[in-house]
Amino acid sequence: AQRVTQPEKLLSVFKGAPVELKCNYSYSGSPELFWYVQYSRQRLQLLLRHISRESIKGFTADLNKGETSFHLKKPFAQEEDSAMYYCALKNNAGNMLTFGGGTRLMVKP
Amino acid sequence: NAGVMQNPRHLVRRRGQEARLRCSPMKGHSHVYWYRQLPEEGLKFMVYLQKENIIDESGMPKERFSAEFPKEGPSILRIQQVVRGDSAAYFCASSRYTGDTEAFFGQGTRLTVV
Repeated sequence: AQRVTQPEKLLSVFKGAPVELKCNYSYSGSPELFWYVQYSRQRLQLLLRHISRESIKGFTADLNKGETSFHLKKPFAQEEDSAMYYCALKNNAGNMLTFGGGTRLMVKP
Repeated sequence: NAGVMQNPRHLVRRRGQEARLRCSPMKGHSHVYWYRQLPEEGLKFMVYLQKENIIDESGMPKERFSAEFPKEGPSILRIQQVVRGDSAAYFCASSRYTGDTEAFFGQGTRLTVV
């Protein structure tokens, strides 16, 4: 069975501080991992995916197969980064996503 | 392109009534997914549909819940005889084709059962 775990429900940091949102997964095959973000009163939107190895809004995430992790990082948090962040996994069998429980990031001024 | 449209945004039903949630995918998208988010939890997959076909309903409760995606019109998630435990946010997502890496989400329908 596949599972995505985000151990922190809430992460509060000051503006300019580094941020790391943790995500661990369990899946026997080769997963595709994603980070989705939901800003206040807005829809869920894709932030980044591991296969693209991209940096979006200063965020990066590296897939670590040995540790089965896909942590989201940003060196200097901004107030506008405050949102709910969801880690998600897509298996090989279909397009559906398995989501973690989400982490609320609060960036204080 | 208006994106994935869900309506209504908020729906209040009394116990025992029926709830019908609608999802219009993005233009050009023929795959629709429904997810449920219970309070304080993450999104849980419910069902995956293509036009006129249910591809995977492994996340659907066995009773009272059904989904369809007709040839014309929006996808409908139907909950019969709602109970308090059905109160949740229901999200719809759409993608262009199987294997498309990105699914686009609607803003969700928040169902409250009183």
